[in-house]
Amino acid sequence: DTAVSQTPKYLVTQMGNDKSIKCEQNLGHDTMYWYKQDSKKFLKIMFSYNNKELIINETVPNRFSPKSPDKAHLNLHINSLELGDSAVYFCASSQDIAGGSETQYFGPGTRLLVL
Amino acid sequence: SQKIEQNSEALNIQEGKTATLTCNYTNYSPAYLQWYRQDPGRGPVFLLLIRENEKEKRKERLKVTFDTTLKQSLFHITASQPADSATYLCALPGGDSWGKLQFGAGTQVVVTP
Repeated sequence: DTAVSQTPKYLVTQMGNDKSIKCEQNLGHDTMYWYKQDSKKFLKIMFSYNNKELIINETVPNRFSPKSPDKAHLNLHINSLELGDSAVYFCASSQDIAGGSETQYFGPGTRLLVL
Repeated sequence: SQKIEQNSEALNIQEGKTATLTCNYTNYSPAYLQWYRQDPGRGPVFLLLIRENEKEKRKERLKVTFDTTLKQSLFHITASQPADSATYLCALPGGDSWGKLQFGAGTQVVVTP
């Protein structure tokens, strides 16, 4: 019944490793997002896809690469992990991206700790 | 993009009282503003959206106002309950990207019995 789900919930890894976080939504939404919430609790958008097309690509290191195999899934792959990548990563979805006034539905978050 | 300011200090309030949170923005007036609630260890949950032509919006014990002259939104929780304890985030359109939401850092509310 979970609307937006993410796996894994926790991810502890060493610097330099490559890892992926997966997101799925069963709401039938067209738009999905990745956000990063740092230790100061600021929630910042990283990427947005609308119908599998990249719409928003914020200033994010190119070690981060999103992939949307279909409009219900948006995965985030991170290469060469660094200490500063430690944060909580949230996936979200909305019905559409029209004007940006759409309600966004968030997943439970993936807590990434890079050692 | 906007600079969004929410009170970083936690708001401690007694059960039954009204909690009032502030969201100030500095640049252009957005077409709408959203409020979300975030509990520890969970993702934000949408509460209310108010448009620029609406002065006030209500949902159960929640009330949001939007003053484009003051560049401010107020979020009120009336008859607060311990279950209202959470962090409340305001969000505005990012401006430079269509569909982008920019979030404030949030204000933590602690309701004590």
